[in-house]
Amino acid sequence: DVKVTQSSRYLVKRTGEKVFLECVQDMDHENMFWYRQDPGLGLRLIYFSYDVKMKEKGDIPEGYSVSREKKERFSLILESASTNQTSMYLCASSLWGLAGDASTDTQYFGPGTRLTVL
Amino acid sequence: AQSVAQPEDQVNVAEGNPLTVKCTYSVSGNPYLFWYVQYPNRGLQFLLKYITGDNLVKGSYGFEAEFNKSQTSFHLKKPSALVSDSALYFCAAHNFNKFYFGSGTKLNVKP
Repeated sequence: DVKVTQSSRYLVKRTGEKVFLECVQDMDHENMFWYRQDPGLGLRLIYFSYDVKMKEKGDIPEGYSVSREKKERFSLILESASTNQTSMYLCASSLWGLAGDASTDTQYFGPGTRLTVL
Repeated sequence: AQSVAQPEDQVNVAEGNPLTVKCTYSVSGNPYLFWYVQYPNRGLQFLLKYITGDNLVKGSYGFEAEFNKSQTSFHLKKPSALVSDSALYFCAAHNFNKFYFGSGTKLNVKP
């Protein structure tokens, strides 16, 4: 079974702090994703990565950055946390897909990190 | 704007009755369509997907989904609901490395 793990289930930070959310997958997947989940809004893509050191902006990248130094690890960074970044953050991974298009493949999700910014 | 719509925030059904969770999409091209389920305090789990071919797709836990291109819909169905099916269900459409998720539908199955 694919396993996607996230470093924390719950996290409380203060406004202005730099926050790191870590995600690790153990199935040698090329693609990794960061989403945030908010009630009534579903999942919104923040960033995804299709290879080491490669990244693509999603729908809501503002206020976030990412790092992928190793294939199995994808980090989400909040440079200066704000209260409107309080949310559930979900990491996912998937195989490469057809002809480099990640759209065809099932995404495997981690358990999520519930971040509260005070 | 491209999007996925789940028109019902909540669906209530009695155990043993059939269930339907609705999904429509407005995404260009021929998107790939997915259903995921989320149990409390868990990440999303894959249920089924439509890539091409037969319009009726069978998935995990007895769920199936019907793709209708003319109505741009991909409704999730199950002939006989279980209490353990109670969860949050998400429809998703992926295309050209763009990933669109619906807002989710909470399914309540009562004994």
